[in-house]
Amino acid sequence: AQSVAQPEDQVNVAEGNPLTVKCTYSVSGNPYLFWYVQYPNRGLQFLLKYITGDNLVKGSYGFEAEFNKSQTSFHLKKPSALVSDSALYFCALGGSARQLTFGSGTQLTVLP
Amino acid sequence: ETGVTQTPRHLVMGMTNKKSLKCEQHLGHNAMYWYKQSAKKPLELMFVYSLEERVENNSVPSRFSPECPNSSHLFLHLHTLQPEDSALYLCASSQIPTDNSPLHFGNGTRLTVT
Repeated sequence: AQSVAQPEDQVNVAEGNPLTVKCTYSVSGNPYLFWYVQYPNRGLQFLLKYITGDNLVKGSYGFEAEFNKSQTSFHLKKPSALVSDSALYFCALGGSARQLTFGSGTQLTVLP
Repeated sequence: ETGVTQTPRHLVMGMTNKKSLKCEQHLGHNAMYWYKQSAKKPLELMFVYSLEERVENNSVPSRFSPECPNSSHLFLHLHTLQPEDSALYLCASSQIPTDNSPLHFGNGTRLTVT
């Protein structure tokens, strides 16, 4: 069975500082990894995905994620956080299951 | 701007009512999904339609009944719901195979069961 974990329910960061939202996964075979963002009263929006190739993946709104096979991690990063980045972030895993497996979400708050 | 449209955005219904949620996708995708999002819980996949085949989560109660008349439209029929069914119901679509294809979500229907 495959699984994905987001160990932090809440991440707070000051505006202008770098941010990291953590995600780890477990799957047999090659992982397909995704990050989504959800703003209040909205659906989830796709940010970026890792399928194969470079371990550093760049996505929308200046976000990037680093795939680390040895640590089975896919952390979301941004060099300089904005207040408007405050939202709920979901990591998701595709692979051995037919559908995506979502993490429980991490609430990011960027403080002005 | 989303290519997946859900109506209504908000719905309040009593436990004896019958209502339906509607989803329409304009992306040419061939798979559609219903998800339930409750506070403090992981996203729960309820139903999947891909290539007109339905795949469902066996833990979904029978008071939820999906219908997919074509690849662009998806409904969720609701009857005799319980207060614990109050949640945000999200529709999504994708192009199969889904293991490496992102989902595109609608903005959801906020359902309150009184």
